[in-house]
Amino acid sequence: DVKVTQSSRYLVKRTGEKVFLECVQDMDHENMFWYRQDPGLGLRLIYFSYDVKMKEKGDIPEGYSVSREKKERFSLILESASTNQTSMYLCASSETNTGELFFGEGSRLTVL
Amino acid sequence: GENVEQHPSTLSVQEGDSAVIKCTYSDSASNYFPWYKQELGKRPQLIIDIRSNVGEKKDQRIAVTLNKTAKHFSLHITETQPEDSAVYFCAASKNSGGSNYKLTFGKGTLLTVNP
Repeated sequence: DVKVTQSSRYLVKRTGEKVFLECVQDMDHENMFWYRQDPGLGLRLIYFSYDVKMKEKGDIPEGYSVSREKKERFSLILESASTNQTSMYLCASSETNTGELFFGEGSRLTVL
Repeated sequence: GENVEQHPSTLSVQEGDSAVIKCTYSDSASNYFPWYKQELGKRPQLIIDIRSNVGEKKDQRIAVTLNKTAKHFSLHITETQPEDSAVYFCAASKNSGGSNYKLTFGKGTLLTVNP
């Protein structure tokens, strides 16, 4: 079974703090994604990566950055957290040529 | 970019009835249309998908239909059961050169199946 692991299930941070969300997949997938899930807004793509050291902006990249130094790990960084970044963050991975996303369990971030 | 609209946002049915969720997409180049199910507190999981070279696909009680001309696709669940209760997301993507996909999701439909 594909396993996508997000390091923190629940985080509480203060406005202005730097936040790191880590994601690791164990199936050697080339593609990794970060989505944000908010009630009534569905899943919105923040950033994605098709290869190590490669990153592309999704639909809502403002206020976020990412890092992919190793194939299995994709990190989402909030340089200066704001209250409007309170949300559920979902990491996903996929193989090239298949399209199916395998999601992690999510990281619920609260920014006070 | 791609825009995916999904309706209805909530749907309540009696056990045994059918449920239909509809989505429209904007980019005529999109060619891959998956559906994900997310149970309460769990991660989204793929339940069925369809590619643009077919018009319908079935898997037991679920089916998906695609109308490329009208740019819409639908999920049909027959003989619904309480365990079908979940949020369902449609998505659309084009793949460049047969390789990578970037999914754009609809806003989701909360399906409740009443016993």
